[in-house]
Amino acid sequence: DAMVIQNPRYQVTQFGKPVTLSCSQTLNHNVMYWYQQKSSQAPKLLFHYYDKDFNNEADTPDNFQSRRPNTSFCFLDIRSPGLGDAAMYLCATSPPGHLYNEQFFGPGTRLTVL
Amino acid sequence: GNSVTQMEGPVTLSEEAFLTINCTYTATGYPSLFWYVQYPGEGLQLLLKATKADDKGSNKGFEATYRKETTSFHLEKGSVQVSDSAVYFCALIKISGGSYIPTFGRGTSLIVHP
Repeated sequence: DAMVIQNPRYQVTQFGKPVTLSCSQTLNHNVMYWYQQKSSQAPKLLFHYYDKDFNNEADTPDNFQSRRPNTSFCFLDIRSPGLGDAAMYLCATSPPGHLYNEQFFGPGTRLTVL
Repeated sequence: GNSVTQMEGPVTLSEEAFLTINCTYTATGYPSLFWYVQYPGEGLQLLLKATKADDKGSNKGFEATYRKETTSFHLEKGSVQVSDSAVYFCALIKISGGSYIPTFGRGTSLIVHP
């Protein structure tokens, strides 16, 4: 089945220790998104790619970076995680830009910062 | 900017009860509107959508009508089942600077008792 895969499902890191979360997709979608979701809050868009074009949300901290080496893979790098970065991180994809298109989500990676 | 407001949860119902989850939005122009559902341990998945005023989206017994005059997209189901227990997210997509930017509500938890 075509899908969006996130690894790992659970990640524990130490305060200030860099961490990378990964996302892969078999849908061949052009658009990929990274969201941060904290408990009882709306998913917050961090950035998205349209093909290789990177779009950073204005309020995304510099501590968060992303890489998309090819269509299938996208990475979220947190350079110096703080306690406030503990959250669920969601990856999503979407077919080429169209107002009516749904997003397809992975199961998420839950990040714990000790 | 764009925003989505959902009713606070959790919503607790008995099986076969009628469900309404309120959603209102703020956006200029004509966004597309979506309801996503998140079952425990899984990613978000599209439940239904509507792309223009007065459209009705429907799926699995759930319905929502795009009401531009009240800027609302309330989710309804006539008879809920225990298996409908999940978190429901209202969302919109709007064009911004050439990109399709999604905005999510904070989610409403639904608990259905036998």
